[in-house]
Amino acid sequence: GENVEQHPSTLSVQEGDSAVIKCTYSDSASNYFPWYKQELGKRPQLIIDIRSNVGEKKDQRIAVTLNKTAKHFSLHITETQPEDSAVYFCAATTSGGGADGLTFGKGTHLIIQP
Amino acid sequence: ETGVTQSPTHLIKTRGQQVTLRCSSQSGHNTVSWYQQALGQGPQFIFQYYREEENGRGNFPPRFSGLQFPNYSSELNVNALELDDSALYLCASSSAGLEETQYFGPGTRLLVL
Repeated sequence: GENVEQHPSTLSVQEGDSAVIKCTYSDSASNYFPWYKQELGKRPQLIIDIRSNVGEKKDQRIAVTLNKTAKHFSLHITETQPEDSAVYFCAATTSGGGADGLTFGKGTHLIIQP
Repeated sequence: ETGVTQSPTHLIKTRGQQVTLRCSSQSGHNTVSWYQQALGQGPQFIFQYYREEENGRGNFPPRFSGLQFPNYSSELNVNALELDDSALYLCASSSAGLEETQYFGPGTRLLVL
């Protein structure tokens, strides 16, 4: 089955700086890669996703890049703000989150230092 | 916030007991997936229900079972509870055949003593 590795486990950046979280996946058939943000005690919230037919997607301060050859994808957050502090999870699946389910990484605790 | 709801929010059980967790999917969604999230870990896929049938399953034993109802709401049942079953149980709804993006509910936190 699919295996997703996520790094780093903890990332501390100064407010206003950029943050980058990286994930690798094992199943070359995976074609859908969402990113979720989870604040303490709350539900995972989808922040951005990308499908294998594109290499990059951007939504305001958040962007995701995908390298299918190397089987890795990354989340980029620019101009970080205190409300960006949370745990971020990457995930992968061979469909749009269908019968195979989403395989998640172990998460990155992002800390924004004021 | 999504329109996905779960009940109860918290639950305490003892080892060997059985538990039923409930999920109401977002309006317009016909598919429900269940995940187990242990403390400090990412969610793990348990199974998915589509058209009232189990549509896919992760690496969980048969004592984890589920149902989906005609209104697309769903139940997760766990028999013979073990201490390791203590976790946050999340359901996610999606619309099969369309965008298929999964939207999570707030979860049920289960503690097994």
